Amino acid sequence: SQKIEQNSEALNIQEGKTATLTCNYTNYSPAYLQWYRQDPGRGPVFLLLIRENEKEKRKERLKVTFDTTLKQSLFHITASQPADSATYLCALDRDNNAGNMLTFGGGTRLMVKP
Amino acid sequence: KAGVTQTPRYLIKTRGQQVTLSCSPISGHRSVSWYQQTPGQGLQFLFEYFSETQRNKGNFPGRFSGRQFSNSRSEMNVSTLELGDSALYLCASSLRGAFAGELFFGEGSRLTVL
Repeated sequence: SQKIEQNSEALNIQEGKTATLTCNYTNYSPAYLQWYRQDPGRGPVFLLLIRENEKEKRKERLKVTFDTTLKQSLFHITASQPADSATYLCALDRDNNAGNMLTFGGGTRLMVKP
Repeated sequence: KAGVTQTPRYLIKTRGQQVTLSCSPISGHRSVSWYQQTPGQGLQFLFEYFSETQRNKGNFPGRFSGRQFSNSRSEMNVSTLELGDSALYLCASSLRGAFAGELFFGEGSRLTVL
């Protein structure tokens, strides 16, 4: 069955360091992958989308890589700040899906300490 | 530009009752998706509507239903509520039609079933 895995344990890092979050998937051939940020009690907020033919995407302090051979995406936040503390979710579309149907990973909680 | 609006934000029901949740998408967005979020299962896709038609459906029982109106506003209904239906119900709208793009989420409706 299709599965998306993110580290369920919280990631604790020091302010200024680079945070790296992992998203692994199995039995999937997604056309693209998305990352979202979710704060407690709020809806997820879109951050980045990377397509299967793209290896890397950047947006300000954020960087996403997508390795379809390893079936893995890495999400990096450079020069992390306490305000980056949140849960980060990766999401994939379903194979050959037409429409907006995403499958989300369980999310990784990031804690950035000052 | 107004974001996705969900009402009500909080509600408490008892087992056996039914509930209707409402979602107003961003102006111009024709796709509306619904997700259920619980601590144990994470974000799970319920269904998606596009131009008043259900385009995709997740693996939820028939007690969960939805519809979309000509102005793209959407409602979801859960009948014969069970304790396990307690969750945060999130609505998301998208501009893209044929293929999934970034989703814009509302703040959610938190349902508690007693």
